[in-house]
Amino acid sequence: DQQVKQNSPSLSVQEGRISILNCDYTNSMFDYFLWYKKYPAEGPTFLISISSIKDKNEDGRFTVFLNKSAKHLSLHIVPSQPGDSAVYFCAAATGGSQGNLIFGKGTKLSVKP
Amino acid sequence: KAGVTQTPRYLIKTRGQQVTLSCSPISGHRSVSWYQQTPGQGLQFLFEYFSETQRNKGNFPGRFSGRQFSNSRSEMNVSTLELGDSALYLCASSQLGEYEQYFGPGTRLTVT
Repeated sequence: DQQVKQNSPSLSVQEGRISILNCDYTNSMFDYFLWYKKYPAEGPTFLISISSIKDKNEDGRFTVFLNKSAKHLSLHIVPSQPGDSAVYFCAAATGGSQGNLIFGKGTKLSVKP
Repeated sequence: KAGVTQTPRYLIKTRGQQVTLSCSPISGHRSVSWYQQTPGQGLQFLFEYFSETQRNKGNFPGRFSGRQFSNSRSEMNVSTLELGDSALYLCASSQLGEYEQYFGPGTRLTVT
């Protein structure tokens, strides 16, 4: 069964607007969450992360929100730019297994000029 | 700092053969993890190595194996290749105890 789910395979947003990518998880033992961006023919690039003891983390245009009670996290990109068009993966890990990231299947974001 | 490098980038093999993929981590990173990416299953964890020892293993058959050398470089091997092994194989490195992993560009393996 999938422990990390990204239910939207794709998302289209206008340049300058907000992009919101969502991720749900089932394992309450996860204590760290990460977002990666992937372009075709490249490996995933680390974007931003959040510990389970926090509910928000910001880095420039990227903000990740964590709702532990709902087992839900989201990535906000403001403002969206055409260069943000890529596949975004949500990942989770438990303490002691930091080397084992559990990934969602990704959401393809298209930002239109 | 140089990123994670993987060789070769592309590989075509025949069913039944074996293959070895190589990964050089970021300098100073001693933990190396391997993942398989396929369209149907997404990114799936294969195994993690630290100090030449396997720390964690994913749910893959014994045909998939790996090792790590004293300079932290890692190799993974797949024996008796099957068509379903066609995938992008990604290597990632990290500092021990850190969650953030940094990925290489991957090796695209095609089994015919």
